[in-house]
Amino acid sequence: DTGVSQDPRHKITKRGQNVTFRCDPISEHNRLYWYRQTLGQGPEFLTYFQNEAQLEKSRLLSDRFSAERPKGSFSTLEIQRTEQGDSAMYLCASSSTGDYGYTFGSGTRLTVV
Amino acid sequence: AQSVTQLGSHVSVSEGALVLLRCNYSSSVPPYLFWYVQYPNQGLQLLLKYTSAATLVKGINGFEAEFKKSETSFHLTKPSAHMSDAAEYFCAVTESTGANSKLTFGKGITLSVRP
Repeated sequence: DTGVSQDPRHKITKRGQNVTFRCDPISEHNRLYWYRQTLGQGPEFLTYFQNEAQLEKSRLLSDRFSAERPKGSFSTLEIQRTEQGDSAMYLCASSSTGDYGYTFGSGTRLTVV
Repeated sequence: AQSVTQLGSHVSVSEGALVLLRCNYSSSVPPYLFWYVQYPNQGLQLLLKYTSAATLVKGINGFEAEFKKSETSFHLTKPSAHMSDAAEYFCAVTESTGANSKLTFGKGITLSVRP
């Protein structure tokens, strides 16, 4: 069990560029979550997968955001046409069904300049 | 709908002193409650969780929390603070009847420990 891995740890991009983040959950976990955390705030829910199915999306997830979890393993979060307001820490977490209190990765810090 | 209120954004204690971080919740159904700790530029680590078993929950690093339904509270305590406890602490809630265990977090409290 190597925990939840996120890549990259840091990403600096110019406004208008597209970025993609990857999350590798704990292998036996069937649930995967994406959260966004801005400075001085708690994490906010973005989206949730059970296996490969994306079951819920927050209204925070605008049309510029898309997430996938092919084959129910790793997940990617893509942001198109980045804006300065997208600058935040993007956190991934995973759990098993019925297991409350999931395991978080170390996050990807995005800075849009 | 559910929400968490963490009063105050910053708590400072002396090393060896009692740590008390407050959390109040709102939930339309019986809640499950959590405390997480976050060190700078890191993800969140689960300290402890209440999932309707014992109301006094013990967690890692000497922390504990008590679920009080009448007060809608889930305050985090530690008898004696250590320098390594300096971090940000988040309280979170989810609905026990929810299908996806989505967490709603408070804004967090920064704990400073003075030598």
